[in-house]
Amino acid sequence: AAGVIQSPRHLIKEKRETATLKCYPIPRHDTVYWYQQGPGQDPQFLISFYEKMQSDKGSIPDRFSAQQFSDYHSELNMSSLELGDSALYFCASSLAGLAGVMGEQYFGPGTRLTVT
Amino acid sequence: AQKVTQAQTEISVVEKEDVTLDCVYETRDTTYYLFWYKQPPSGELVFLIRRNSFDEQNEISGRYSWNFQKSTSSFNFTITASQVVDSAVYFCALSEHEAAGNKLTFGGGTRVLVKP
Repeated sequence: AAGVIQSPRHLIKEKRETATLKCYPIPRHDTVYWYQQGPGQDPQFLISFYEKMQSDKGSIPDRFSAQQFSDYHSELNMSSLELGDSALYFCASSLAGLAGVMGEQYFGPGTRLTVT
Repeated sequence: AQKVTQAQTEISVVEKEDVTLDCVYETRDTTYYLFWYKQPPSGELVFLIRRNSFDEQNEISGRYSWNFQKSTSSFNFTITASQVVDSAVYFCALSEHEAAGNKLTFGGGTRVLVKP
């Protein structure tokens, strides 16, 4: 079965640079989520989109922005990168359907971002 | 505010022993969802189970079983006859509401090490 696709899988950037992470949800899934997981920590919710509209927002820095496109893929844009942004970034997708009820979140393999 | 606590940081067992992971949650909502995810050393997050707050029926799925008790706000997870491949970090997670896009709040995770 098709899974969530994230690209790139690994990314190395320098401080103050920008980065763009991409997420392709499972086909027919209409909801995407972004999480950040620091070393030895649990995943922290950043932001989510349902039917291309922002649905929920967590502790996402103002330097980060995200959107969901018409084909349901999503991109997380990160600017003015800091050393502390080094983490594993997960995208997850789920199917809410017309009822708008959340389903199981299936996670992609993650993008490991290293800021030097 | 929602909160998930996994008091056990690490559990070490010998293969074929049973492992029970504890999870205690806090929420003010009457409708919520509870999840267990597995994160093996390769880093991906694998969905295991989901229960909603209205369904306290405990089930068994293969070597996995869970014990959901609203009275004690606990959602414990058991691996029966553990195998080396079960070695991973296990996260309990909570989502308040049932609206699409609602975030998952994770516990701190329990690292399970299964020795041959």
